[in-house]
Amino acid sequence: QKEVEQNSGPLSVPEGAIASLNCTYSDRGSQSFFWYRQYSGKSPELIMSIYSNGDKEDGRFTAQLNKASQYVSLLIRDSQPSDSATYLCAVSGAAGNKLTFGGGTRVLVKP
Amino acid sequence: GAVVSQHPSRVICKSGTSVKIECRSLDFQATTMFWYRQFPKQSLMLMATSNEGSKATYEQGVEKDKFLINHASLTLSTLTVTSAHPEDSSFYICSAPRGGPGNEQFFGPGTRLTVL
Repeated sequence: QKEVEQNSGPLSVPEGAIASLNCTYSDRGSQSFFWYRQYSGKSPELIMSIYSNGDKEDGRFTAQLNKASQYVSLLIRDSQPSDSATYLCAVSGAAGNKLTFGGGTRVLVKP
Repeated sequence: GAVVSQHPSRVICKSGTSVKIECRSLDFQATTMFWYRQFPKQSLMLMATSNEGSKATYEQGVEKDKFLINHASLTLSTLTVTSAHPEDSSFYICSAPRGGPGNEQFFGPGTRLTVL
């Protein structure tokens, strides 16, 4: 069973602080890693993708990948109330582009 | 990002009727699309992979005769919920990979189905 694990939260973060989200995956053959943001009642929105070890920065978001530890994380800098949402970690393997999702981490940014 | 549309956004139907949901990739072609279902406060559950020109691939536990999938063209996949029952009420979401090295997937806005 290929699994992707996330802490369900909620992760409560003061406005302006850094939110740190973690994700672990079980399939060592995984090739592509994604972070999606999902607001309540809406569909997921792709915010970051990462494919190689190290950090990838895009605006206030930084994704970090460590394939040896089977670990991917997302940092949200200068958190805003509008960042309050559920963040889904998704992983796809070498066999195709089917995604396996974690259960999501709910983030609450308090003004 | 790429644009994927779904129609309708919301549907209410009586038990026993069939409901068709359309998923379109608007600015790219997709030989594969994916259909998910999401119940309240739960994560996405993949139902099936829609393949252009061939049969859909269903996940374990998903009834292929109940959830009919047709990938009519490189930009359109449809999901038909046949003989819907209240337990089929859920949020149905499609996604399509844009292609390229990372094969990023983009989601449609979802269809909220309520079966009375």
